[in-house]
Amino acid sequence: RKEVEQDPGPFNVPEGATVAFNCTYSNSASQSFFWYRQDCRKEPKLLMSVYSSGNEDGRFTAQLNRASQYISLLIRDSKLSDSATYLCGTGATNKLIFGTGTLLAVQP
Amino acid sequence: NAGVTQTPKFRILKIGQSMTLQCAQDMNHNYMYWYRQDPGMGLKLIYYSVGAGITDKGEVPNGYNVSRSTTEDFPLRLELAAPSQTSVYFCASSNLGGSYEQYFGPGTRLTVT
Repeated sequence: RKEVEQDPGPFNVPEGATVAFNCTYSNSASQSFFWYRQDCRKEPKLLMSVYSSGNEDGRFTAQLNRASQYISLLIRDSKLSDSATYLCGTGATNKLIFGTGTLLAVQP
Repeated sequence: NAGVTQTPKFRILKIGQSMTLQCAQDMNHNYMYWYRQDPGMGLKLIYYSVGAGITDKGEVPNGYNVSRSTTEDFPLRLELAAPSQTSVYFCASSNLGGSYEQYFGPGTRLTVT
């Protein structure tokens, strides 16, 4: 079993839609959780950290469920500019382990 | 600040050749990482370093070597390049390790033929 698993997609959604991604992790010792955004042929960039209480940044909401060992990302009112690959990452001690990423394509 | 820089941006190698991918950061971060990303795949950790003089293996270290003589630089060495090493290589750095945000360089696209 992979340490971090994501549905690779693609998720094809119309503009204005709400879309949710999940990411499961197997290491119960994971201490930190992140969502990164990666545009085509670019480097990953931090979208948001994920906290136990959940957190929101504009149209983006991230949640953590430690009991079931998954994190989620909700994007409301999708924009064309949201089209990208979304990578989840979990951290323990000295390193992050990333999932394979979920490709989102927002259609006009 | 330039952040994390990587050179070269692109490179084509013949099988059996060697090369060094350069990575530098100007944020005074102790933690640095090398990842490879194959098409449609996530990031796989090759090697990482928690400070100058200290390195450790990640998930996929075979065929690679690293050194960390300064805080700023973390070069990745490929010896005897193989087609399986065709990939995009990303270097990243972090202030305080796995619990904190990593900053990525722009990547090096390597093709081995």
